[in-house]
Amino acid sequence: GQQVMQIPQYQHVQEGEDFTTYCNSSTTLSNIQWYKQRPGGHPVFLIQLVKSGEVKKQKRLTFQFGEAKKNSSLHITATQTTDVGTYFCAGRGAGGTSYGKLTFGQGTILTVHP
Amino acid sequence: DAGVIQSPRHEVTEMGQEVTLRCKPISGHDYLFWYRQTMMRGLELLIYFNNNVPIDDSGMPEDRFSAKMPNASFSTLKIQPSEPRDSAVYFCASSPSTYNEQFFGPGTRLTVL
Repeated sequence: GQQVMQIPQYQHVQEGEDFTTYCNSSTTLSNIQWYKQRPGGHPVFLIQLVKSGEVKKQKRLTFQFGEAKKNSSLHITATQTTDVGTYFCAGRGAGGTSYGKLTFGQGTILTVHP
Repeated sequence: DAGVIQSPRHEVTEMGQEVTLRCKPISGHDYLFWYRQTMMRGLELLIYFNNNVPIDDSGMPEDRFSAKMPNASFSTLKIQPSEPRDSAVYFCASSPSTYNEQFFGPGTRLTVL
Protein backbone atom coordinates (compact mmCIF):
# COMPACT_ATOMS: atom_id res chain seq x y z
CA GLY A 1 0.00 0.00 0.00
CA GLN A 2 0.89 3.65 -0.16
CA GLN A 3 3.55 4.78 2.27
CA VAL A 4 4.50 8.32 3.18
CA MET A 5 7.83 8.77 4.92
CA GLN A 6 8.76 11.96 6.69
CA ILE A 7 12.17 13.06 7.96
CA PRO A 8 13.56 14.03 10.33
CA GLN A 9 11.49 12.59 13.16
CA TYR A 10 12.75 15.27 15.56
CA GLN A 11 14.35 18.67 15.06
CA HIS A 12 15.66 20.96 17.76
CA VAL A 13 16.57 24.49 16.72
CA GLN A 14 17.47 27.77 18.33
CA GLU A 15 14.99 30.53 17.82
CA GLY A 16 15.88 32.33 14.62
CA GLU A 17 17.31 29.28 12.86
CA ASP A 18 15.68 27.78 9.81
CA PHE A 19 13.86 24.42 9.75
CA THR A 20 13.00 21.99 6.98
CA THR A 21 11.02 18.76 6.97
CA TYR A 22 10.85 16.39 4.03
CA CYS A 23 8.13 14.06 2.87
CA ASN A 24 8.52 11.16 0.42
CA SER A 25 5.82 8.92 -1.00
CA SER A 26 6.20 5.42 -2.35
CA THR A 27 3.66 6.23 -5.06
CA THR A 28 2.74 9.22 -7.21
CA LEU A 29 0.42 11.63 -5.46
CA SER A 30 -2.50 13.63 -6.80
CA ASN A 31 -1.94 16.22 -4.10
CA ILE A 32 -0.30 16.69 -0.75
CA GLN A 33 -1.49 18.46 2.36
CA TRP A 34 0.42 19.79 5.35
CA TYR A 35 -0.90 19.97 8.90
CA LYS A 36 0.44 21.34 12.17
CA GLN A 37 -0.35 19.88 15.57
CA ARG A 38 0.51 21.90 18.64
CA PRO A 39 1.47 19.94 21.79
CA GLY A 40 -1.73 18.54 23.29
CA GLY A 41 -3.76 19.75 20.34
CA HIS A 42 -5.20 18.40 17.14
CA PRO A 43 -3.90 18.56 13.55
CA VAL A 44 -4.74 21.81 11.82
CA PHE A 45 -4.63 22.17 8.05
CA LEU A 46 -1.93 24.47 6.68
CA ILE A 47 -1.95 24.10 2.91
CA GLN A 48 -2.57 21.84 -0.08
CA LEU A 49 -0.28 21.49 -3.10
CA VAL A 50 -1.63 20.06 -6.33
CA LYS A 51 0.60 20.91 -9.27
CA SER A 52 3.95 19.37 -10.13
CA GLY A 53 6.75 21.67 -8.95
CA GLU A 54 4.32 23.93 -7.10
CA VAL A 55 5.70 26.34 -4.51
CA LYS A 56 3.49 28.17 -2.03
CA LYS A 57 4.38 30.58 0.76
CA GLN A 58 2.64 31.53 3.96
CA LYS A 59 4.64 34.26 5.68
CA ARG A 60 7.77 32.44 6.93
CA LEU A 61 6.61 29.03 5.68
CA THR A 62 7.50 27.76 2.18
CA PHE A 63 5.94 24.59 0.80
CA GLN A 64 7.17 22.72 -2.27
CA PHE A 65 5.78 19.83 -4.29
CA GLY A 66 8.28 17.81 -6.28
CA GLU A 67 8.28 17.60 -10.06
CA ALA A 68 7.46 13.91 -9.96
CA LYS A 69 4.71 14.52 -7.37
CA LYS A 70 6.27 11.99 -5.01
CA ASN A 71 7.95 14.33 -2.54
CA SER A 72 7.37 17.58 -0.74
CA SER A 73 9.04 19.85 1.76
CA LEU A 74 8.13 22.48 4.31
CA HIS A 75 10.70 25.15 5.16
CA ILE A 76 10.35 27.63 8.00
CA THR A 77 12.58 30.68 7.93
CA ALA A 78 13.74 32.21 11.20
CA THR A 79 11.80 29.96 13.57
CA GLN A 80 9.88 31.40 16.49
CA THR A 81 8.72 29.72 19.68
CA THR A 82 5.19 29.77 18.27
CA ASP A 83 6.36 27.33 15.55
CA VAL A 84 6.71 24.54 18.12
CA GLY A 85 4.67 21.46 17.28
CA THR A 86 4.48 18.45 15.00
CA TYR A 87 4.30 18.99 11.26
CA PHE A 88 2.61 16.31 9.20
CA CYS A 89 2.46 15.81 5.50
CA ALA A 90 -0.48 13.84 4.10
CA GLY A 91 -0.37 12.49 0.58
CA ARG A 92 -3.36 11.58 -1.54
CA GLY A 93 -2.88 8.66 -3.88
CA ALA A 94 -3.12 9.25 -7.63
CA GLY A 95 -4.04 5.79 -8.77
CA GLY A 96 -4.50 2.08 -8.13
CA THR A 97 -5.59 0.98 -4.70
CA SER A 98 -4.30 4.24 -3.21
CA TYR A 99 -6.56 6.41 -5.34
CA GLY A 100 -8.04 9.24 -3.33
CA LYS A 101 -6.79 7.92 -0.02
CA LEU A 102 -5.00 10.37 2.29
CA THR A 103 -1.99 8.86 4.05
CA PHE A 104 -0.24 10.78 6.81
CA GLY A 105 3.50 10.79 7.36
CA GLN A 106 4.88 10.10 10.82
CA GLY A 107 5.41 13.79 11.44
CA THR A 108 8.40 15.92 12.44
CA ILE A 109 8.43 17.20 16.00
CA LEU A 110 9.91 20.69 16.09
CA THR A 111 11.31 22.16 19.28
CA VAL A 112 12.42 25.78 19.33
CA HIS A 113 14.75 26.95 22.09
CA PRO A 114 14.44 30.66 22.96
CA ASP B 1 -19.73 26.89 13.41
CA ALA B 2 -18.43 25.11 16.51
CA GLY B 3 -16.15 22.84 14.53
CA VAL B 4 -15.95 19.09 14.96
CA ILE B 5 -17.15 18.06 18.40
CA GLN B 6 -15.93 14.94 20.16
CA SER B 7 -16.91 13.41 23.46
CA PRO B 8 -15.71 12.48 25.91
CA ARG B 9 -12.41 14.35 25.87
CA HIS B 10 -10.84 11.87 28.25
CA GLU B 11 -11.83 8.30 29.04
CA VAL B 12 -10.22 5.96 31.52
CA THR B 13 -11.55 2.45 31.62
CA GLU B 14 -10.54 -1.02 32.63
CA MET B 15 -9.59 -3.80 30.29
CA GLY B 16 -12.60 -5.67 29.03
CA GLN B 17 -15.00 -2.76 29.27
CA GLU B 18 -16.91 -1.34 26.34
CA VAL B 19 -15.87 2.13 25.19
CA THR B 20 -17.93 4.42 22.96
CA LEU B 21 -16.46 7.54 21.42
CA ARG B 22 -18.73 10.13 19.84
CA CYS B 23 -18.32 12.66 17.08
CA LYS B 24 -20.41 15.45 15.60
CA PRO B 25 -18.99 16.64 12.26
CA ILE B 26 -19.23 20.12 10.85
CA SER B 27 -22.65 20.69 9.34
CA GLY B 28 -22.65 20.19 5.59
CA HIS B 29 -19.53 18.04 5.50
CA ASP B 30 -20.18 14.80 3.64
CA TYR B 31 -17.06 12.97 4.77
CA LEU B 32 -16.22 11.79 8.27
CA PHE B 33 -12.95 10.16 9.29
CA TRP B 34 -11.84 8.34 12.43
CA TYR B 35 -8.11 8.35 13.25
CA ARG B 36 -6.02 6.88 16.03
CA GLN B 37 -2.77 8.51 17.15
CA THR B 38 -0.02 6.86 19.14
CA MET B 39 3.67 7.60 19.53
CA MET B 40 4.60 4.27 17.99
CA ARG B 41 2.28 4.23 14.98
CA GLY B 42 1.59 7.91 14.39
CA LEU B 43 -1.73 9.01 12.90
CA GLU B 44 -3.66 6.07 11.45
CA LEU B 45 -6.88 6.22 9.49
CA LEU B 46 -9.31 3.70 10.95
CA ILE B 47 -12.41 4.22 8.82
CA TYR B 48 -14.16 6.89 6.83
CA PHE B 49 -17.75 7.57 5.78
CA ASN B 50 -19.27 9.35 2.82
CA ASN B 51 -22.86 10.49 3.27
CA ASN B 52 -23.16 8.23 6.32
CA VAL B 53 -21.98 5.14 4.42
CA PRO B 54 -18.72 3.43 5.43
CA ILE B 55 -16.36 3.57 2.45
CA ASP B 56 -13.06 2.18 3.69
CA ASP B 57 -12.66 0.33 6.98
CA SER B 58 -9.37 -1.35 6.12
CA GLY B 59 -7.66 0.49 8.97
CA MET B 60 -9.91 -0.92 11.68
CA PRO B 61 -7.53 -3.05 13.73
CA GLU B 62 -9.81 -5.96 14.48
CA ASP B 63 -13.35 -7.05 15.14
CA ARG B 64 -13.33 -5.41 18.55
CA PHE B 65 -13.64 -2.08 16.76
CA SER B 66 -16.84 -0.93 15.10
CA ALA B 67 -18.05 2.42 13.79
CA LYS B 68 -21.45 3.71 12.85
CA MET B 69 -22.89 6.87 11.39
CA PRO B 70 -26.67 6.75 11.85
CA ASN B 71 -27.15 10.26 10.47
CA ALA B 72 -25.22 13.16 9.00
CA SER B 73 -24.57 14.78 12.36
CA PHE B 74 -23.41 11.89 14.52
CA SER B 75 -20.92 9.05 14.48
CA THR B 76 -19.66 6.57 17.06
CA LEU B 77 -16.56 4.45 17.39
CA LYS B 78 -16.98 1.52 19.72
CA ILE B 79 -14.37 -0.77 21.20
CA GLN B 80 -15.64 -3.95 22.82
CA PRO B 81 -13.87 -5.38 24.73
CA SER B 82 -11.18 -2.78 25.26
CA GLU B 83 -7.52 -3.72 25.81
CA PRO B 84 -4.55 -1.72 27.16
CA ARG B 85 -3.03 -1.55 23.67
CA ASP B 86 -6.06 0.46 22.56
CA SER B 87 -4.82 3.37 24.66
CA ALA B 88 -4.37 6.30 22.27
CA VAL B 89 -5.84 9.60 21.19
CA TYR B 90 -8.77 9.10 18.82
CA PHE B 91 -9.55 11.91 16.43
CA CYS B 92 -12.61 12.47 14.36
CA ALA B 93 -12.31 14.69 11.29
CA SER B 94 -14.77 15.91 8.69
CA SER B 95 -14.44 17.34 5.21
CA PRO B 96 -16.80 18.73 2.57
CA SER B 97 -15.24 16.43 -0.02
CA THR B 98 -12.55 13.79 -0.24
CA TYR B 99 -10.19 16.27 -1.90
CA ASN B 100 -10.59 19.12 0.58
CA GLU B 101 -8.79 19.74 3.83
CA GLN B 102 -9.87 17.77 6.85
CA PHE B 103 -11.08 19.51 9.99
CA PHE B 104 -10.08 17.64 13.11
CA GLY B 105 -11.91 17.52 16.40
CA PRO B 106 -10.09 17.98 19.72
CA GLY B 107 -9.72 14.22 20.16
CA THR B 108 -10.56 11.72 22.88
CA ARG B 109 -7.66 10.51 25.00
CA LEU B 110 -8.41 6.90 25.88
CA THR B 111 -6.58 5.05 28.63
CA VAL B 112 -7.32 1.37 29.13
CA LEU B 113 -5.93 0.01 32.39
